[in-house]
Amino acid sequence: DAGITQSPRYKITETGRQVTLMCHQTWSHSYMFWYRQDLGHGLRLIYYSAAADITDKGEVPDGYVVSRSKTENFPLTLESATRSQTSVYFCASRAGGKETQYFGPGTRLLVL
Amino acid sequence: LAKTTQPISMDSYEGQEVNITCSHNNIATNDYITWYQQFPSQGPRFIIQGYKTKVTNEVASLFIPADRKSSTLSLPRVSLSDTAVYYCLVGGTGGSYIPTFGRGTSLIVHP
Repeated sequence: DAGITQSPRYKITETGRQVTLMCHQTWSHSYMFWYRQDLGHGLRLIYYSAAADITDKGEVPDGYVVSRSKTENFPLTLESATRSQTSVYFCASRAGGKETQYFGPGTRLLVL
Repeated sequence: LAKTTQPISMDSYEGQEVNITCSHNNIATNDYITWYQQFPSQGPRFIIQGYKTKVTNEVASLFIPADRKSSTLSLPRVSLSDTAVYYCLVGGTGGSYIPTFGRGTSLIVHP
């Protein structure tokens, strides 16, 4: 079924480990986004991508790496996870020139 | 980017109409106003968008005064299932627009 999916949905890891969160969309949307959501902070933008091979930093990029070799995929990597990166991560996509964003179901990450 | 201000939280009861107002004093000429709704444990979803006057769909109405410095999301006859966080966003429809969600308004509907 078409849409935007995230994997894994839940992840427990340890401090210092590398973790990659996957995001896949089937609409061929140009724009893709990664947000984190923590209590008291709402949704904060980590990174976004305007097209394949084009990425840019958002509000809170430190400690994260992204890539976009294909239009449909936008993985987010925590190179060395820290406890402060415990959060719910949402991926979203948007067609170029359109306002509406479509969000994935989220990934709950716990860093011990 | 136009900054938005909306109440942190609101309470209502089933069957009442709920109005959530968002202030955006420095809205630009080509900016649209968009509202998203987020249920617990889910990602936000689009509910309504407008540029001026009034927009209505099957979920909500959006009222925008002539000066466009604020907007009001109206939810008619809310039910318990309308308990959610509502985000007001302001921005253009150009591809370069990067939306900022902020904390939104947490609406709790009581029986």
